[in-house]
Amino acid sequence: GAVVSQHPSWVICKSGTSVKIECRSLDFQATTMFWYRQFPKQSLMLMATSNEGSKATYEQGVEKDKFLINHASLTLSTLTVTSAHPEDSSFYICSAPREGGETQYFGPGTRLLVL
Amino acid sequence: AQSVTQPDIHITVSEGASLELRCNYSYGATPYLFWYVQSPGQGLQLLLKYFSGDTLVQGIKGFEAEFKRSQSSFNLRKPSVHWSDAAEYFCAVGRGGYQKVTFGIGTKLQVIP
Repeated sequence: GAVVSQHPSWVICKSGTSVKIECRSLDFQATTMFWYRQFPKQSLMLMATSNEGSKATYEQGVEKDKFLINHASLTLSTLTVTSAHPEDSSFYICSAPREGGETQYFGPGTRLLVL
Repeated sequence: AQSVTQPDIHITVSEGASLELRCNYSYGATPYLFWYVQSPGQGLQLLLKYFSGDTLVQGIKGFEAEFKRSQSSFNLRKPSVHWSDAAEYFCAVGRGGYQKVTFGIGTKLQVIP
């Protein structure tokens, strides 16, 4: 089946630093990828849609200058949390659609802790 | 706007008992419906999906779900629950075609011996 990976799986950083999270589709090409964040005991909230070769589309309320997205190739999208603060601590999950776009395959997630 | 309601935040069942997780959706057209499972600290695994055709869909791990248009529901069922089924289950609705998917709040399943 389709596999999506994320790196790193865990990251702890100091407040004010920037953190980059990678999302890769391992056995298929993904022109579109989605980035979600999940707070403890809550559902997944879509942050942005990453499009290869063009700018990302951000959901309402998501700061595009804080959460930088770069879809560098057909298999890689990166999310950079700039000047991270403790309130950015969360579980970040990416997904990529396949099989004609109907089904999204999710990465294992990246847990970010900002101290 | 599309939305998903999972009315049960937490459910406890005995191992071997049957299970039904409820999901209601709001959508302007024929929806694409999904059930995902998430184990603690893990990503999401697709259990099953409905796009069209037979309204009773079979998924992995012995799960099935039934699409009922009249009730705007897509309930997940399993005839006999195993301890390894303890996890969080998310119902989701989307439009397909590389469009975004909206998730419900999730139902946490606890399985007791």
